[in-house]
Amino acid sequence: EADIYQTPRYLVIGTGKKITLECSQTMGHDKMYWYQQDPGMELHLIHYSYGVNSTEKGDLSSESTVSRIRTEHFPLTLESARPSHTSQYLCASRRGAVFGETQYFGPGTRLLVL
Amino acid sequence: GDSVTQMEGPVTLSEEAFLTINCTYTATGYPSLFWYVQYPGEGLQLLLKATKADDKGSNKGFEATYRKETTSFHLEKGSVQVSDSAVYFCALSDQTGTASKLTFGTGTRLQVTL
Repeated sequence: EADIYQTPRYLVIGTGKKITLECSQTMGHDKMYWYQQDPGMELHLIHYSYGVNSTEKGDLSSESTVSRIRTEHFPLTLESARPSHTSQYLCASRRGAVFGETQYFGPGTRLLVL
Repeated sequence: GDSVTQMEGPVTLSEEAFLTINCTYTATGYPSLFWYVQYPGEGLQLLLKATKADDKGSNKGFEATYRKETTSFHLEKGSVQVSDSAVYFCALSDQTGTASKLTFGTGTRLQVTL
């Protein structure tokens, strides 16, 4: 059973607000990822991290930013939310150099920006 | 680059029917292949995986065989249940990169009726 947590699970906010989506894992995994899932279900990688103090942009450009100050924590921040940011955000993690290892996913945060 | 092509949904089946969801891939290296399942309101869970040619992954009655000659990883189940209703994602992980990113298909929604 994967131990990866996301808070909040649901968030409704107004345009222009700053928000932070939390993601934590207790498995000691080096690699962590953020995905954006659109209503059509498709998953897009927006950020990832190799380990502490490492962050990279993903395949889909995003106005969000991330940080990795601790191994277990990988928060995502939107400085000024807009309706176009409405989506589901999924966090994932995996062990470092293990061939064939899976990514473990959190339950997701469903964001609605009004 | 790497890509995954997945059967379009939705797929609607009666309980106890046979299920096939087609998945083909393009990759430059020797990828690991995965099937993930997403139940309503949840994150993704690993259903099964295969890490080399001719491997068969299996779990909860689902099976998929890594076919390198046809670059396919089709998901099958002999008798579906209503509880199998979910979205299924085929994915690959190219092990040559250090990021170990997953490339997902677009997802196939399965609806099983009584």
